[in-house]
This record gives sequence, structure tokens and C-alpha cells, in this order.
Amino acid sequence: KQEVTQIPAALSVPEGENLVLNCSFTDSAIYNLQWFRQDPGKGLTSLLLIQSSQREQTSGRLNASLDKSSGRSTLYIAASQPGDSATYLCAVDNYGQNFVFGPGTRLSVLP
Amino acid sequence: EAGVTQFPSHSVIEKGQTVTLRCDPISGHDNLYWYRRVMGKEIKFLLHFVKESKQDESGMPNNRFLAERTGGTYSTLKVQPAELEDSGVYFCASSQDLGQSEAFFGQGTRLTVV
Repeated sequence: KQEVTQIPAALSVPEGENLVLNCSFTDSAIYNLQWFRQDPGKGLTSLLLIQSSQREQTSGRLNASLDKSSGRSTLYIAASQPGDSATYLCAVDNYGQNFVFGPGTRLSVLP
Repeated sequence: EAGVTQFPSHSVIEKGQTVTLRCDPISGHDNLYWYRRVMGKEIKFLLHFVKESKQDESGMPNNRFLAERTGGTYSTLKVQPAELEDSGVYFCASSQDLGQSEAFFGQGTRLTVV
């Protein structure tokens, strides 16, 4: 049974810092991994999708990496801004059927 | 292009009543998923449609929950009768190609059973 964990659970940083969010999963047989952000009371916004054959994806200040063999993914946020404050969720797609979500990392970027 | 839309955004009902949630996926997306997050827990999978067929409903908690997707377009999730533990946020998502493309989520329906 796939299990997804995320560390840290919460993170508070001053504006401008680079930061790394971590995601671990127990079953390496995945189709893809997707990072989402969720703002309070809102839905999930897709940030990056990494296929199982890929090592990383980049979008603007965001970079996500995937190491299937070790069951890890990281989300790197460069030059953080207060607008980046949100909960970041890692979700693993098992066999293209459905996502298993991690508990999320709650990020606060202080001005 | 419109995203995934869900209706209503909020619903407050009494225990024992019936509630129906609706999801309109992105046009052309054959795959439609329902997820939910109950208080303090992770988002959990409920079921997956491919067009109008239920591909996987292993996450449905019990037979008080009924999902339909007539015609392979929008989907409804009915809870009858609702119980207190059904309170949470129900998310719908859609994707184009199974396992290959991004999943797009709706804003969710916040259900409160009192």
C-alpha cells in the first residue's frame, strides 16, 4: 500500500530565501508525481507534474525533482515571496489509477 | 477554457438528510475523480470514472455514497443518509490521459453535517 510523507510539516522563512520541500513515498512503482498548492479555503492548483521517466521539471521559480529508486521528490522554491505562502501537497499516481496524497507542508513566507 | 467546477461550494445539512454534489470536468477529459478530505486528515481517493464507467470505486467509504456520471460528462456524488463523519471537503478532478497528463482539481465542496 502506497504511503506518502512530507517534511517538514510546517515551515516559516523570510522573504527571498530559497527553500526545499521534501516528499517520500514507499512504493516506487509510480506513473507520475504531481505537486500542488492549496490556499486556505481554496482548491488545489497544479504546480508541476513529473512523469516516472523524468528526473525533474521546472516552472519559473519552482523546480521539482524525482528519484524513483529512493522514493523521493523535492520541490525547490527559489527567491521565496509572501505570495508563495500556502500548503504544498505532493501526490503520487499509482498505476495511473488515482493519487495518494501526502499530508502537506504549510509554508509561510514572511515579508 | 473553463476549469473543473463544483457545485455547491458549501453545503450544511442535518444528519439523515440527503445531499448531492456536482462536478463538471474540463471538456474532453475522460477521466474524472472524486476525493475528499475529512478534518485533520489527508486527501483520500474515493472513485474514478473513465467516461461513464466506474473504473475504480475502492475508496468509497460505504453504500451511503453513490456516484454517477451519466453520458460521460458531469458527475454527481450523492450521500444518503448523511452522517456526521461525512463532513469534509469533497474535491473533483479530471485528466485527459490516464497516468500521463496533469490532473486538474476543482475548488471543492465543503460539506458540513450537523
